[in-house]
Amino acid sequence: DAGITQSPRHKVTETGTPVTLRCHQTENHRYMYWYRQDPGHGLRLIHYSYGVKDTDKGEVSDGYSVSRSKTEDFLLTLESATSSQTSVYFCAISELLDSYEQYFGPGTRLTVT
Amino acid sequence: DQQVKQNSPSLSVQEGRISILNCDYTNSMFDYFLWYKKYPAEGPTFLISISSIKDKNEDGRFTVFLNKSAKHLSLHIVPSQPGDSAVYFCAADQTGANNLFFGTGTRLTVIP
Repeated sequence: DAGITQSPRHKVTETGTPVTLRCHQTENHRYMYWYRQDPGHGLRLIHYSYGVKDTDKGEVSDGYSVSRSKTEDFLLTLESATSSQTSVYFCAISELLDSYEQYFGPGTRLTVT
Repeated sequence: DQQVKQNSPSLSVQEGRISILNCDYTNSMFDYFLWYKKYPAEGPTFLISISSIKDKNEDGRFTVFLNKSAKHLSLHIVPSQPGDSAVYFCAADQTGANNLFFGTGTRLTVIP
């Protein structure tokens, strides 16, 4: 299994509070991704990174920001959490530019009340 | 707008029989397709893939078929085993897009 951890694994927070989710990899893969999984939508890409300090938006990036200061860490921040951001968040990594085979972390279940 | 669709939310199959999971897509620019398997409380794991230049790819008990004219792919599992019980996601990619598009998933239950 690829070495990917996510923290926290579960979080409950209140509307309007900032939240940061962390993804840590030990594989030295260049590309890292954040997805959210919601019923009826499958997984949708939020942001991705193609190197340290290099990030870009995905399909559903509004309300989210990311940072990557080290190869192994990719942070997802909800500046002011809303109930619509209640979801399961997955981090993924890949070696290749064109996504193809991505390796996923175990997920973080976020509930915004 | 869902570009990758899995119209069957669930499927039940007897152990030893064939499981067929279906997936349709709308974007003709997609050129690589993947199937992921997901157990509860875990992240998806890559299962099998196929390039648009092929119409079939086989890996042990798993075979993926691609019909480009119909924009349809399917995953065949033969024989099905209870350990195959999971949610299966179809995904599609377009070279250079850096964005995997996922279907909504099909929950497969293999009955012993």
